[in-house]
Amino acid sequence: GAVVSQHPSWVICKSGTSVKIECRSLDFQATTMFWYRQFPKQSLMLMATSNEGSKATYEQGVEKDKFLINHASLTLSTLTVTSAHPEDSSFYICSATDREPHEQYFGPGTRLTVT
Amino acid sequence: GQNIDQPTEMTATEGAIVQINCTYQTSGFNGLFWYQQHAGEAPTFLSYNVLDGLEEKGRFSSFLSRSKGYSYLLLKELQMKDSASYLCAVVDSNYQLIWGAGTKLIIKP
Repeated sequence: GAVVSQHPSWVICKSGTSVKIECRSLDFQATTMFWYRQFPKQSLMLMATSNEGSKATYEQGVEKDKFLINHASLTLSTLTVTSAHPEDSSFYICSATDREPHEQYFGPGTRLTVT
Repeated sequence: GQNIDQPTEMTATEGAIVQINCTYQTSGFNGLFWYQQHAGEAPTFLSYNVLDGLEEKGRFSSFLSRSKGYSYLLLKELQMKDSASYLCAVVDSNYQLIWGAGTKLIIKP
C-alpha cells in the first residue's frame, strides 16, 4: 500500500514554455501533498505544501506565481512550472500523506530539463 | 536556526560495516527518519526513531540519543547495491520534516 506515482518521469522543454507534473496517490486519499526540488548533489528542498481544496503554502524563496500548485482532489496534485528557464532544470519529487505531515510517501520523481 | 549535519561522503568496502552519523539542532523534536536515495530516484524509507536506543532491521540499524541530538545509521555486510545517498530528516515541533544534505556512500569491492 501507500503508492505515489508521478507523471511524467522525465520531460524536456524549451525555455519559456510551461510544464505540468502530476502526482497521484494510488491507494489512499492524500490529505496533504508536498512538492520538493532537488538539484544535483544536494538534498531535498521543500517547495510547497498543499492540502486538498485549499491554496498551497509555499516555502520562503519559492515563487508561487511561477510554480503553480493545484490539489484538486484527494488523490491528485499538480505542479506547473510556468515560463520555465534552464535554471529550473531539476529533479522534482512529490510526496503524500493521509496522516501526520512527517509520514510521507514519495513519488518516483520527475526530471525536468529546460533547454 | 535549524540545522542537520551529516558527512558529505563516505567510502566502505563490500562486506564491511559502516556507520553514518547525523547530528541535529532543531526547534523541538518529534522523531528522526533515515532514507536511502539512489541516484536519479526518490528517497525510500529506512527507519524512524522517536525514542532513545537502537532499532535493528535486518542489515540496517538506527540509533538515537535525544539528549545529544545525535543519530547514526549502521549498515552491516555491505553490498554493492548499498551505494547510495543516505538522508537524515528530523521532525520538528511543528511536525515538519527538516532534511539533512545527505551522505553519499561509496562501496568498493
